Amino acid sequence: DVKVTQSSRYLVKRTGEKVFLECVQDMDHENMFWYRQDPGLGLRLIYFSYDVKMKEKGDIPEGYSVSREKKERFSLILESASTNQTSMYLCASSGGGTGGNTQYFGPGTRLTVL
Amino acid sequence: GQSLEQPSEVTAVEGAIVQINCTYQTSGFYGLSWYQQHDGGAPTFLSYNGLDGLEETGRFSSFLSRSDSYGYLLLQELQMKDSASYFCAVRDLAETGGFKTIFGAGTRLFVKA
Repeated sequence: DVKVTQSSRYLVKRTGEKVFLECVQDMDHENMFWYRQDPGLGLRLIYFSYDVKMKEKGDIPEGYSVSREKKERFSLILESASTNQTSMYLCASSGGGTGGNTQYFGPGTRLTVL
Repeated sequence: GQSLEQPSEVTAVEGAIVQINCTYQTSGFYGLSWYQQHDGGAPTFLSYNGLDGLEETGRFSSFLSRSDSYGYLLLQELQMKDSASYFCAVRDLAETGGFKTIFGAGTRLFVKA
């Protein structure tokens, strides 16, 4: 079974702090994604990566950056956390070709910025 | 712009059939997926339609009409455990290569006894 893990289930940070959210997948997937989920808005794509060291902006990249130094790991960075970044953050991965039709999600990190 | 429209809530009784519709407007289209998410859980993949027609997986079926930019998820023999949120999602080609997925806002399904 595909396993996607995220470093924390719950995180509380203060405004202005630098925040790192880590995601690791164990299925050698090419594609990895970061979403945020807010009530009534569904899942919104922040950044994604389709190869090591490759990254592409999603729909709401402002205030975020990412890093993918190894195939299995995709990190989301909040350079200076703000209260409007309080949200549920979901990481996902998918394979190449038709495997890309299915995304596997991690359990999520609920981030609260005070 | 890009948008996916689906109802915010649907209520049905146990044992019934329910259909959740999804219409989309995106710059490109490579397929429509459906995901289920229980409260406190992660989204899990249910089905994918790359071509027009019906795909069946047990009690769940999904339909796609690319000419109408429309699809639906059909849940039969509803069970209480089907109470969850359901998301439609469009797979699209990103500007600099690779594929990205755009999600709808989700439909909250309530199954009553």
